[in-house]
Amino acid sequence: QVQLVESGGGLVKPGGSLRLSCAASGFTFSDYYMNWLRQAPGKGLEWVSYINPRGSTIYYADSVKGRFTISRDNAKNSLYLQMNSLRVEDTAVYYCVRGDWVFQRWGQGTLVTVSS
Amino acid sequence: AIQLTQSPSSLSASVGDRVTISCRASQGISRALAWYQQSPGKPPKLLILDASTLESGVPSRFSGSGSGTDFTLTISSLQPEDFATYYCQQFNSFPRTFGQGTKLDIK
Repeated sequence: QVQLVESGGGLVKPGGSLRLSCAASGFTFSDYYMNWLRQAPGKGLEWVSYINPRGSTIYYADSVKGRFTISRDNAKNSLYLQMNSLRVEDTAVYYCVRGDWVFQRWGQGTLVTVSS
Repeated sequence: AIQLTQSPSSLSASVGDRVTISCRASQGISRALAWYQQSPGKPPKLLILDASTLESGVPSRFSGSGSGTDFTLTISSLQPEDFATYYCQQFNSFPRTFGQGTKLDIK
């Protein structure tokens, strides 16, 4: 069955960096569009970034543009999110999500806490 | 960015009730709208896409309607597992955006 397993979350100071990973299994990863979404504690859902199957088309939310970088390694069935210049407001559960127009399959999420 | 406004923000209802949640877009999005259900501590689950197409495996008591700027999610007869938070999402353009959510709890 489809599985998306995020890792790499944790506690980081403002201005710091973190790299999230998502291990995909149960489907042909290289055929699918992927996304990162996040949810701050007690808040709603926010789309963060999108990447097409070949990695040639990428979009970001304005709130993370210039600070976050999405990438993928189809040979390793993995999706990544490099997060730099982290801010307190980036604190959230980050989800790895499969889908192009809609978000059909979600991982369980990894918590990123930005605090001094 | 396209803004989505859900109403109400919260709703109390009983098992067996029929409930309706609205989602209004700040500009026309044709039928490029999806609905999700999120239970506490879990990731969201896709219920409906293209405004009214039920995702595979979703019970038929869920239905969606609308086009343009006004959309509706209806649950025909609430079951205990339906008490959750519901979000609409537009996929007409980037950035993908969500409504603020509607929390449905037991009366």
